[in-house]
Amino acid sequence: ETGVTQSPTHLIKTRGQQVTLRCSSQSGHNTVSWYQQALGQGPQFIFQYYREEENGRGNFPPRFSGLQFPNYSSELNVNALELDDSALYLCASSSNPLGQGDEQFFGPGTRLTVL
Amino acid sequence: SQKIEQNSEALNIQEGKTATLTCNYTNYSPAYLQWYRQDPGRGPVFLLLIRENEKEKRKERLKVTFDTTLKQSLFHITASQPADSATYLCAPHTGRRALTFGSGTRLQVQP
Repeated sequence: ETGVTQSPTHLIKTRGQQVTLRCSSQSGHNTVSWYQQALGQGPQFIFQYYREEENGRGNFPPRFSGLQFPNYSSELNVNALELDDSALYLCASSSNPLGQGDEQFFGPGTRLTVL
Repeated sequence: SQKIEQNSEALNIQEGKTATLTCNYTNYSPAYLQWYRQDPGRGPVFLLLIRENEKEKRKERLKVTFDTTLKQSLFHITASQPADSATYLCAPHTGRRALTFGSGTRLQVQP
C-alpha cells in the first residue's frame, strides 16, 4: 500500500508568482484535504476534494484553488503569491469526506518559501 | 468565534512518567475529536479519535478523555519514552466539512 506523496519537497518563489503543488492520495482513498502550516502553528484547513469536486473550504481567499483528478490525486494552486504564503503545505487523504471521523493520512508536505 | 487552545509551552517530563496534554475548545460542540502526533519536518500522524458520546478511549500506552461539559480533551501517555518526544495536535471536528487543528504542544521526554 503506497502512502500519500507530495511534490515538490521544497519550492522557492517570488511575490506575485503562481505555484502548483501536487499530491497523490493513498490507494483506495477518494478524499483529499489540503492544509497550510505556518511555523509553530497547527495545520490550517484550506479545502477538501471529494470525487473530483470541492467539498468544503476554510477561510482562504479564492487565489487558493485546487483540482482532483479521476485517480483521486490532487493539485493545489496559489496565484499572486504573498510573503505570508510561506509555509508547509500538507495534503491528507481519507476514505471518506471530513465529518465522518475517518483518520487522515498526511503526506510529508511541501515547504514553500516566498521571497 | 470557535477557538482551540493547547498549551503552547513545551512539556518536559522524565522517562517513565505519565505525560498529560490538554486541549480546550470554545463556542462549539464537536461531534468528535482527533489527536495527531507530528515530528519535525513531517506530516501529522493519526493517533486516536474520540466521539462526543465517549468519555474515554485507550490504545496501548495512550488514553484520551473527552469532557463535553468542560469543553476539554486530555491526552495521556503512560510510561513515557524518549521516542514519544514530538508535537501533539488536537483536532476537534468544527463543521460538516472541516477539521481544525490546535497549535500543538511539544512534548520532550528526558531519559
